[in-house]
Parts: sequence; structure tokens; C-alpha cells
Amino acid sequence: DVVMTQSPLSLPVTLGQPASISCRSSQSLVHSDGNTYLNWFQQRPGQSPRRLIYKVSNRDSGVPDRFSGSGSGTDFTLKISRVEAEDVGVYYCMQGTHWLWTFGQGTKVEIK
Amino acid sequence: EVQLVQSGAEVKKPGESLKISCKGSGYSFTSYWIGWVRQMPGKGLEWMGIIYPGDSDTRYSPSFQGQVTISADKSISTAYLQWSSLKASDTAMYYCVRSGYVVWGKGTTVTVSS
Repeated sequence: DVVMTQSPLSLPVTLGQPASISCRSSQSLVHSDGNTYLNWFQQRPGQSPRRLIYKVSNRDSGVPDRFSGSGSGTDFTLKISRVEAEDVGVYYCMQGTHWLWTFGQGTKVEIK
Repeated sequence: EVQLVQSGAEVKKPGESLKISCKGSGYSFTSYWIGWVRQMPGKGLEWMGIIYPGDSDTRYSPSFQGQVTISADKSISTAYLQWSSLKASDTAMYYCVRSGYVVWGKGTTVTVSS
């Protein structure tokens, strides 16, 4: 199985400040079709997960542009340019390149 | 509107059987994989398995193979997750999700306690 390792696991952030979450995979996430199926999800307390980013850097519809994704191969990053109160929650990376699809452990973002 | 509607919360005793459901609407149910994701209390997300309702092709995570059964009835656009003998450790929230990972059900809480 592909192991997804996120860091940090806890991220206290001041409102208006940037935040960055790292996600590393145990093997390359480049699919044989040339795409890299790395997704980022946000899970607010009491809610279902919501996809924010797909194929490394593509924002889903309705996702604020303060969220951005980058990376390649085995090393990926989610950045929030200026954290807002509604961004509190747990963020997961997830690879969809290799079955079994796998999530990272999650990073809890909270306001300082 | 594309949506997945999951069955309601369940409270069961160890050893009992259970089948929870996930009904798709607003799209061609047979054209997308449906996956099941477990979230134990206070923990992260885990893929359990996926099914393609068009031909019932099913894949399981090794961690859940033999522990649960995933099925689908395309005539009523519904996917299922079932247990033959529940354990306390099956206590969790279970989400169904359509391939593409944008459409999620609201989750079914399963509590197993004597």
C-alpha cells in the first residue's frame, strides 16, 4: 500500500497568517496515464469531507483562491495564503493513483 | 442535484448483523464507482472498498477483506455495506463516496455496544 505521511499533524495558526501542510507518499503518484491523482480534503467538525484540490493543484468549484496545491512525484503541499476562521478543521491528502487509495493521517488546523 | 443519501444511525450489540445503505440520485448510478470510508471516533479516514454498480466489480482494502461485504443493487441505485457479526471495534462513522471524491454521503453512525 502507498503510505501517505502528513506534517505537521497539528497546526495552530493566527488569523490572516499563512499555513502550509506537507504530504509525502511512499512511492510516486504519477499514474501510467500521466496524471498525478493527489487530492486534498477539508473536514470541518461534524461534517463530511469536502474535496478542495484534485490532481495536485486544481481547485474545486467554490473553493476560495487562498487555497493552493503544489508538488510532484512524492512530495506535495497544501497552502492557505491567509487563514480565516472557517478554515478550522482537519485536512487530509489522499492518493487515487494506486489501489488501495490511501489518506494521510490528517492535519488539524486551529486558530491560536 | 447529485447526491448520496445514507441510511440512519444504528445501535447494535456485538455479534449482530447489519447492512447500511447509500442511495445515489441525480446521476447515472451504474457509471461511477462507489466507495466506503470508515472514520473511527476521533480518528482519520480509511478506505474500506469500492464497487462499480455497472458490473458489481468490487475491490477491498486488505484490512477489511473478509470483515465486511460491499454490494450494490443497480435497479434501485443503492450500494450497501454489511457485517455478519459486529464487534465493538466496528463503532465508527461510515461514509459512502462517489468516484471523483466530490460527492459524499452525510455518513452513517454505527455504535456496537453490549
